[in-house]
Amino acid sequence: GAVVSQHPSWVICKSGTSVKIECRSLDFQATTMFWYRQFPKQSLMLMATSNEGSKATYEQGVEKDKFLINHASLTLSTLTVTSAHPEDSSFYICSARDRPWSPESGTQYFGPGTRLTVL
Amino acid sequence: SQQGEEDPQALSIQEGENATMNCSYKTSINNLQWYRQNSGRGLVHLILIRSNEREKHSGRLRVTLDTSKKSSSLLITASRAADTASYFCVGSTLTFGKGTMLLVSP
Repeated sequence: GAVVSQHPSWVICKSGTSVKIECRSLDFQATTMFWYRQFPKQSLMLMATSNEGSKATYEQGVEKDKFLINHASLTLSTLTVTSAHPEDSSFYICSARDRPWSPESGTQYFGPGTRLTVL
Repeated sequence: SQQGEEDPQALSIQEGENATMNCSYKTSINNLQWYRQNSGRGLVHLILIRSNEREKHSGRLRVTLDTSKKSSSLLITASRAADTASYFCVGSTLTFGKGTMLLVSP
């Protein structure tokens, strides 16, 4: 099956710094990529959706200026947590698909996740 | 929003037993997918069932879909300790429920 990687796997940073997380599709071109956040023992919460060549669409309550998403190419999306604070500590998961999002389409391929801890 | 709600929230069984998890959703879907997540790890796609399908098999997995009841079930037969994980269902949109945490004891 398709493979999605994330880098780094985990990161610890000081409050106020910015952290960049990369999401790559390794063997397919990802037209659409998604970013999720998951708190311990909670479900995945969709943060934003980005289609290659257009700006990301953020879910309600997600600050676009704090969580910068760049779908730089068909194989790479980055999430930058700007001026991170302890409450941003979470497990961030990306997913990708090889076609533009539509309800009729099928599987998302998930990355392994990045654990962010802000001290 | 279209949110999958899994039931039960947690399930503990012995190896070799079958595990059944249920999922309900609120609005119409084109397909429904089941994923598993090991603790602190990413999600792994298990199976997709389309709205015009009633049952689908994949190895030890059996998924049913009842669109009239807006519900789906995932059956894992002959469970193994390695099946211990959280299981999520998600419809055509991208909203996940809290999942069912399955613990399979040796």
